[in-house]
Amino acid sequence: AQSVTQLGSHVSVSEGALVLLRCNYSSSVPPYLFWYVQYPNQGLQLLLKYTTGATLVKGINGFEAEFKKSETSFHLTKPSAHMSDAAEYFCAVSESAGGTSYGKLTFGQGTILTVHP
Amino acid sequence: DARVTQTPRDKVTEMGQEVTMRCQPILGHNTVFWYRQTMMQGLELLAYFRNRAPLDDSGMPKDRFSAEMPDATLATLKIQPSEPRDSAVYFCASGLVTGTGGADTQYFGPGTRLTVL
Repeated sequence: AQSVTQLGSHVSVSEGALVLLRCNYSSSVPPYLFWYVQYPNQGLQLLLKYTTGATLVKGINGFEAEFKKSETSFHLTKPSAHMSDAAEYFCAVSESAGGTSYGKLTFGQGTILTVHP
Repeated sequence: DARVTQTPRDKVTEMGQEVTMRCQPILGHNTVFWYRQTMMQGLELLAYFRNRAPLDDSGMPKDRFSAEMPDATLATLKIQPSEPRDSAVYFCASGLVTGTGGADTQYFGPGTRLTVL
């Protein structure tokens, strides 16, 4: 069974500061990993995903994440926070090829990012 | 710009009433997911379909919830009878899932906010 743990339900940073949102996963098969963002009263939007290949993945809005198999982690970072980054962020895991999940995602509990001026 | 659409966006109803939520997936996508989001439980997968066939509905309370895909352009989630504990935001997502694994992006609709009084 797969699971995702996001450390910290709330993260607060100042505008211009580094953003670090933590995600650890558990999966019995090689995982596919995703970060989604949810703005108030909206659906989820894909930020980035790791499938195979390069372990450092770049996404939209200046975000990136690094897949570290040895640490079972997929932390999300952004060098400089902007006010518009304030939202809730979800890490998710899916089974890779050879699994039978047909794309089923298991989500973490979410991290609310607040950006202060 | 193709999007997943959901109707209604908001629904307020009284306990015991039937509620039907509708979703139009992105044209060409073969997999449709229904999620429920609450403060306490986060994002939960209720059911999903591939090529209109139900793959897994183990996340749904069987006695009151039902999900169907009458055709490729419409997915429905029905609650009968509704209860106050069903109050949540219900999201539909669609994707083009290739093979049995899940590297493919899910595209989320804006959600239906359900309040059961």
